[in-house]
Amino acid sequence: DAGVIQSPRHEVTEMGQEVTLRCKPISGHDYLFWYRQTMMRGLELLIYFNNNVPIDDSGMPEDRFSAKMPNASFSTLKIQPSEPRDSAVYFCASSLVLAGDNEQFFGPGTRLTVL
Amino acid sequence: QKEVEQNSGPLSVPEGAIASLNCTYSDRGSQSFFWYRQYSGKSPELIMFIYSNGDKEDGRFTAQLNKASQYVSLLIRDSQPSDSATYLCAGRGSARQLTFGSGTQLTVLP
Repeated sequence: DAGVIQSPRHEVTEMGQEVTLRCKPISGHDYLFWYRQTMMRGLELLIYFNNNVPIDDSGMPEDRFSAKMPNASFSTLKIQPSEPRDSAVYFCASSLVLAGDNEQFFGPGTRLTVL
Repeated sequence: QKEVEQNSGPLSVPEGAIASLNCTYSDRGSQSFFWYRQYSGKSPELIMFIYSNGDKEDGRFTAQLNKASQYVSLLIRDSQPSDSATYLCAGRGSARQLTFGSGTQLTVLP
C-alpha cells in the first residue's frame, strides 16, 4: 500500500485566501484524523471521521475551518479565509480501528504558510 | 494542564549512552500508550506501544509504564546519531483517540 497520501506537500498563500488540503487514507482504514502541528502547540487533533462520518470536531479552532469526507478514500480540510496564524504543518492519519494498540499511520503532511 | 506532558528537553546524550525520555498523563482511563519518533521535516512514525504495567523491550528500545504513578518512559540503549529526532508520547484515553505530548527533542552526539 502507498500509505496515507496528502496533497499539496507545500502551500503558500496570502491572508484571506481559501486553502484546501487533501488526504487519501490507507485503503480499508475506517478512521481518518486531521492534525495540526506547530512549535508552540505541538500536535493537535482537529477532527476525526469514522466510516466517513465526523465523530469529534472539538479540536477545530474556528468556523473558518471545515472538513469533509465524501467517501472512504478522500477527505479535505478547508480554511476560509486563511490567516497567518494558520501557518503550520497539517497531518492526515488513518487507522483500522480506534482501540487498544492499533496504530495510526501518518501522511507526509502539508506545510502551510499564510503570508 | 495538558493531558499528556513530556519533559521539555532538548536532550543531548553522547553516542553509546542511554537516552531516557519521560511522559506523564492525567487521564486515569488511559489504557495504552505510544511512542512516535519524528525526524525533522517528516511525519511521526510509531516505534513502540505499551499497555501493561512494567517494561516492554524491542531491540534497543524499552518502554516502561507505571499506571499508579501515571508515568510512561522510553529508554534508548546504545544511542546512535540516527536516533536524533523528536519523540512524541501519546496516550489512548477514555475518549479512545490519541492525545499527544509536545515532544522531546533528542540529539545524540557522535
